[in-house]
Amino acid sequence: QVQLQESGPGLVKPSETLSLTCTVSGYSISSGYYWGWIRQPPGKGLEWIGSIYHSGSTYYNPSLKSRVTISVDTSKNQFSLKLSSVTAADTAVYYCARDSPEDSSSPDFDYWGQGTLVTVSS
Amino acid sequence: QSALTQPASVSGSPGQSITISCTGTSSDVGSYNLVSWYQQHPGKAPKLMIYEGSKRPSGVSNRFSGSKSGNTASLTISGLQAEDEADYYCCSYAGSSKVFGGGTKLTVL
Repeated sequence: QVQLQESGPGLVKPSETLSLTCTVSGYSISSGYYWGWIRQPPGKGLEWIGSIYHSGSTYYNPSLKSRVTISVDTSKNQFSLKLSSVTAADTAVYYCARDSPEDSSSPDFDYWGQGTLVTVSS
Repeated sequence: QSALTQPASVSGSPGQSITISCTGTSSDVGSYNLVSWYQQHPGKAPKLMIYEGSKRPSGVSNRFSGSKSGNTASLTISGLQAEDEADYYCCSYAGSSKVFGGGTKLTVL
């Protein structure tokens, strides 16, 4: 059974960098699939942030691209998110999820973490 | 890129059928048959219900079906049940990116 777990600080100060890690169990990141980050502000809808392949190939939401970096550590079976220059508008539940296979562009997020709330506040 | 457009809410009685629309543009929904649908109960992570427009993952009830016409994708739920009450989101490939809809709250009366 594929399982994902987000971890990282629940509180980040404005203008600082939000950092989260997603640990995958039950499936090797190196076996294929893109892996993605999605967020959901309180009471609002879902927003795709970006996705990464085990080779390091990435693609990002154009509206966030200038502030986002997603990286992968296959030795730890983890992938990570960094979002710089955060503001209160970045307060959200952040989810990691398994995205599509390499040969597909379909947004098939089939396994999700439980989500972690990150609040941006001084 | 702009979020796909979904109705804010839909409702139906048990046993009835409902359809949720998801309208995009020729840059996303209209150009690719790569729309997925997610169900989200309060406080829970989303669950994949439909992928590639009309395919159901293993374990998802055949009461859920997806289709597309032009720039609009649709999710139909037949034989409504109380446990179907949730938020539903569409998501489309948009050429090197992915975009979600604003979400639709389904109420089972």
